[in-house]
Amino acid sequence: DGGITQSPKYLFRKEGQNVTLSCEQNLNHDAMYWYRQDPGQGLRLIYYSQIVNDFQKGDIAEGYSVSREKKESFPLTVTSAQKNPTAFYLCASKLAGGPSTDTQYFGPGTRLTVL
Amino acid sequence: KNQVEQSPQSLIILEGKNCTLQCNYTVSPFSNLRWYKQDTGRGPVSLTIMTFSENTKSNGRYTATLDADTKQSSLHITASQLSDSASYICVVSAGNTDKLIFGTGTRLQVFP
Repeated sequence: DGGITQSPKYLFRKEGQNVTLSCEQNLNHDAMYWYRQDPGQGLRLIYYSQIVNDFQKGDIAEGYSVSREKKESFPLTVTSAQKNPTAFYLCASKLAGGPSTDTQYFGPGTRLTVL
Repeated sequence: KNQVEQSPQSLIILEGKNCTLQCNYTVSPFSNLRWYKQDTGRGPVSLTIMTFSENTKSNGRYTATLDADTKQSSLHITASQLSDSASYICVVSAGNTDKLIFGTGTRLQVFP
């Protein structure tokens, strides 16, 4: 898991509530990513940030929001607009943004369950 | 459309045996290919990375191969151990984007 932490490990939410997932890294990486993992599917990119104060939508950004106010932190908010939020959420970071051979290092993940 | 396909979906082997996992991709332009290991309920961990010019890379008992002509890669695990039980994910980077293309993974179970 390197120097990436995600909290909490398990999260339960009632329908209609917003919830924020934490992701912190101490690797001094510029780029950070949020993925969603569902059974039988490959990881899907929600949002990514190549540098502080900048972020881009990924392939499935609807119903999610992010901020990147600090280099070390990239929190993800799952809003009530996300129709099927129950999933395993993974945060990752990479030394620099853009195409490269740099490895993306993943955090331990947060399992979100909507009741 | 950029895609990564893995086979088999799941595999059961006995401890000490060898196994090979397959990955086929249609990604253009190709930059590099990684194999990740993901334990249940954990984040993926990188095992190997290969660029276009490399056709084999080892990491302990794990050996990855790449055939850029046929767009195929394999991950060979030698003398399997119980701790090898995990999902193995093939991930391809396109040369013109920061995004990764993930396979759905092969679920490996090693029994004593």
